[in-house]
Amino acid sequence: DVKVTQSSRYLVKRTGEKVFLECVQDMDHENMFWYRQDPGLGLRLIYFSYDVKMKEKGDIPEGYSVSREKKERFSLILESASTNQTSMYLCASSKRQISYEQYFGPGTRLTVT
Amino acid sequence: LAKTTQPISMDSYEGQEVNITCSHNNIATNDYITWYQQFPSQGPRFIIQGYKTKVTNEVASLFIPADRKSSTLSLPRVSLSDTAVYYCLVGDSPGYSTLTFGKGTMLLVSP
Repeated sequence: DVKVTQSSRYLVKRTGEKVFLECVQDMDHENMFWYRQDPGLGLRLIYFSYDVKMKEKGDIPEGYSVSREKKERFSLILESASTNQTSMYLCASSKRQISYEQYFGPGTRLTVT
Repeated sequence: LAKTTQPISMDSYEGQEVNITCSHNNIATNDYITWYQQFPSQGPRFIIQGYKTKVTNEVASLFIPADRKSSTLSLPRVSLSDTAVYYCLVGDSPGYSTLTFGKGTMLLVSP
């Protein structure tokens, strides 16, 4: 079974804190993705990565950065958390040539107070 | 990516067949149609993908008419556990690496 794991299911942080969300996949997938999901807005792509050390901006990259030092691990960083970054964050991975079939992690519900 | 339009919500009863239709009038020649399912508090899960005519797997069937301007996801004999949000996505495969999720269709299955 493909497995995508995320470091936390729930996280509470204060405004201004630096936040790290980690994602690990065990299927040797080339592509990895970070989304956020908000009620009424659906899933929106923040960043994605085709390969180690490669990253591309998605639809809403502002306020976020990412790091991919190893193929299986993709980190999302909130440099200075703000209340409008309170959301559900979902990580996904896929094979490069089957990019439409993404495997998602369980999500991290982040609350910034 | 072609824009998709699908109903916001649908209701059904256990044992019925459910058909969710998605409109994608601006679909391009190279575009494929992909459906995902999302249960509450979980990430989306790939269900099925097709290009034309009919595709069937162990979970669902996907019907795509000749003009490909719409598609229908068919779930046979739904159960309570099929209550979920269903997303229709369109994009060229395998070339495209990003997915654009709309708001999906919330399917509620009642006893």
